[in-house]
Amino acid sequence: EVQLVESGGGLVQPGGSLRLSCAASGFTFSSYWMSWVRQAPGKGLEWVANIKQDGSEKYYVDSVKGRFTISRDNAKNSLYLQMNSLRAEDTAVYYCARVSSSRMDVWGQGTTVTVSS
Amino acid sequence: DIQMTQSPSSLSASVGDRVTITCRASQGISNYLAWYQQKPGKVPKLLIYAASTLQSGVPSRFSGSGSGTDFTLTISSLQPEDVATYYCQKYNSAPYMYTFGQGTKLEIK
Repeated sequence: EVQLVESGGGLVQPGGSLRLSCAASGFTFSSYWMSWVRQAPGKGLEWVANIKQDGSEKYYVDSVKGRFTISRDNAKNSLYLQMNSLRAEDTAVYYCARVSSSRMDVWGQGTTVTVSS
Repeated sequence: DIQMTQSPSSLSASVGDRVTITCRASQGISNYLAWYQQKPGKVPKLLIYAASTLQSGVPSRFSGSGSGTDFTLTISSLQPEDVATYYCQKYNSAPYMYTFGQGTKLEIK
């Protein structure tokens, strides 16, 4: 079964850091671009970042550039999102998603990040 | 940056109705458009990609059309299980960046 499982969310103070993980199974992880997408409480979907199969290309939404870093470990079938200098507006459910021919065809269940003092 | 604007923001329709949701891009995006369905409390699900190609397993009452700047998602006969928020999403060739529309909340009348 194709599956993505996120972890690492939690409560963090403004200015703090958090590292999200996404464990992939049931498919050849190293063959796919991967994405992070977030959804603030009661709001719509916002794409956050993408990473190429070998990690050589990475793209970010402007609001997280310089603060968030997407990475992957193909040997561990894992995707990561390092989030630094967190702000209240980063509070959201964070989903990882598999990108197949540019579309997000498999999504994880999400992990919740709350930035609050 | 290309902006994606959906209309309406919310919609109420009766079971069996034909429902149409529109998505407009601020610049032409060819057919690089996908539609996602997010049921309440659930994970988003891919419905349609390349503007009009139905994802495997999606009921045939869903269809998509359009190219360039104007796109539509149509549900030919609304079912109770279609209650959800629907999002359009543009995707590029390189650089591989994405933008979602603001969503359309669909309810049963």
